[in-house]
Order: sequence, then C-alpha cells, then structure tokens
Amino acid sequence: SQQGEEDPQALSIQEGENATMNCSYKTSINNLQWYRQNSGRGLVHLILIRSNEREKHSGRLRVTLDTSKKSSSLLITASRAADTASYFCATDGANFGNEKLTFGTGTRLTIIP
Amino acid sequence: DAGVTQSPTHLIKTRGQQVTLRCSPKSGHDTVSWYQQALGQGPQFIFQYYEEEERQRGNFPDRFSGHQFPNYSSELNVNALLLGDSALYLCASRLYGTGVNQPQHFGDGTRLSIL
Repeated sequence: SQQGEEDPQALSIQEGENATMNCSYKTSINNLQWYRQNSGRGLVHLILIRSNEREKHSGRLRVTLDTSKKSSSLLITASRAADTASYFCATDGANFGNEKLTFGTGTRLTIIP
Repeated sequence: DAGVTQSPTHLIKTRGQQVTLRCSPKSGHDTVSWYQQALGQGPQFIFQYYEEEERQRGNFPDRFSGHQFPNYSSELNVNALLLGDSALYLCASRLYGTGVNQPQHFGDGTRLSIL
C-alpha cells in the first residue's frame, strides 16, 4: 500500500512560475526523498532530507520536512518546460538495513511554455 | 560509472507464462530492490536482496521470486502471469546500511505487458 498521498495529483503552471507539491506519510522515517519520473522512464533522485533536518536546498529545489505533521513539500522555482514530469516522495524506514522505500501516489506537473 | 541497468526494456507475454527480468546495480552498490509500478501509481516494493538472500519482502505473492548473484546483479522472476502483472518493473540499488544519508538509484525499468 502507498505510504501516503501527494497533493495535488496534477498541477499545470506557466513556465517561469513556481510549483509547490506536498506529501504526507504515516510512519517514522530515517529520511524522505523526492524523485522525478519522466513519462515511462525510471526514477531520478532529486533530493534527500534526513528526519532531523527541516529544510534543504538544491539548485532550484527547496524541500521542507515537518516530522510532527508527517509531511513534506517540494518547491521548484522558476519552472522550465523540462520540469514537466511526475514527482514522487518516498520515505525510508527508521531501521538500519531497511532498504524499502514507500512511495506516495505522485504529482503530475505540466509546465506550459 | 554505469548506473543501474535493466534488461529487457520492453517485454510482451501472455497469461500463464513465466518471465525473468534482469538488473545490474550501480558500481559499488551491493543491495538490490525491485519495485512494481502500475500505470498512474507510485512504485510498490516487491523485495530486496543482499548477500544473495531475500532480506525484505512487500505484499506480493509467491509467484514473484528473485535471485542475487555473487557479482550483486539480480533477477526478478514472475510465474503464472496475470493481466494485473502488467506494469513497469524498476530495480534500485544502494550500498547496504547507508540508508540514512544515501538515496536509492533506479534503473529505467522493464515495461511488461501481459496479453
């Protein structure tokens, strides 16, 4: 079963605008990861935030994590047409050696040129 | 430095057949996990292999089995294929025990279609 939900399920914005997507999860975590998936392709890792971190930046990406609310958000600034993809959050279990990632349902982002 | 590679990229089978999918992990990685992604859904964890043994398993029937070889590569086998097995099968790898700080690396997947 899915760990939680991403919100919104789909998002369309104009190129240059910012895109924000949210993720909720249910159990204790080591870290939370965001992945991008272009249509029919594999998952590309974007950013990892550990459970003791609250905010992390990587280029045009900003991720926040609120473990008290079991939620995370991904902000993509100054969006580009190439950002069109599905975005998934995935939680990594709290036990050493636990390799299982539990994914959300994904947000389909469309950037309109 | 090759990333995770999977073969074949596409496969078409009929109900009741058996299929084997293959994965080579990223160089330096020793644990391999398999995921099933149905159309429009997030990936679902099937199982994970480390030191040639299945270490964790998701909620999948025994028709799904696997193997890991001494060179860390892995196979996913599915028997008695059902229409519902149609999906993108993803392989991921990581160095075991680094989960706190290291992401999993994914291959491009095998698209399996069941007729």
